[in-house]
Amino acid sequence: GIQVEQSPPDLILQEGANSTLRCNFSDSVNNLQWFHQNPWGQLINLFYIPSGTKQNGRLSATTVATERYSLLYISSSQTTDSGVYFCAVVRGLRIWGKLQFGAGTQVVVTP
Amino acid sequence: DSGVTQTPKHLITATGQRVTLRCSPRSGDLSVYWYQQSLDQGLQFLIQYYNGEERAKGNILERFSAQQFPDLHSELNLSSLELGDSALYFCASSVASTSTGELFFGEGSRLTVL
Repeated sequence: GIQVEQSPPDLILQEGANSTLRCNFSDSVNNLQWFHQNPWGQLINLFYIPSGTKQNGRLSATTVATERYSLLYISSSQTTDSGVYFCAVVRGLRIWGKLQFGAGTQVVVTP
Repeated sequence: DSGVTQTPKHLITATGQRVTLRCSPRSGDLSVYWYQQSLDQGLQFLIQYYNGEERAKGNILERFSAQQFPDLHSELNLSSLELGDSALYFCASSVASTSTGELFFGEGSRLTVL
């Protein structure tokens, strides 16, 4: 199956700092999503971004499908940004719904 | 709020027992997916249904079964529970039947097997 690698595995930030999370995948994809899992376990949709660039407030994401990676940018981080960030992909049109998750990046934002 | 509703939110039971987890998808979504998140395995795809039919199967144990009903809600049945089944079980839904749709996740059902 498709391999999804996220880096770094852990990140400690001071409030107000910027950061970049990376997601590499081993095959072409038709679906790529970024999620934030908060400390209560909820999985929150951040971006649906199989290609291109999107921005939502302090967060933005870029996927370069031809080079098989995606980046998530967090600017002016806040303590509420703490949690685990997951990248998830689906390979191809014939494989139904197998959103393959990476291992995640654990982010801790300190005051 | 994603619009996907899961019940119960928390469940504590004993080994050997059987439980049923319920999921109501977002209004208009025809696909329902079940995922398991455990500490050692991460987020694993279990099974997908589209408009009542099974579409894809992942690493779902034979002790587990699921179905999607005509009103599109879905249930995941876990039987002969073992300690290792303790996990967070997520349901997700999407409009599309193929891989190109965005998935929205419910808040999860946290199962503890004692």
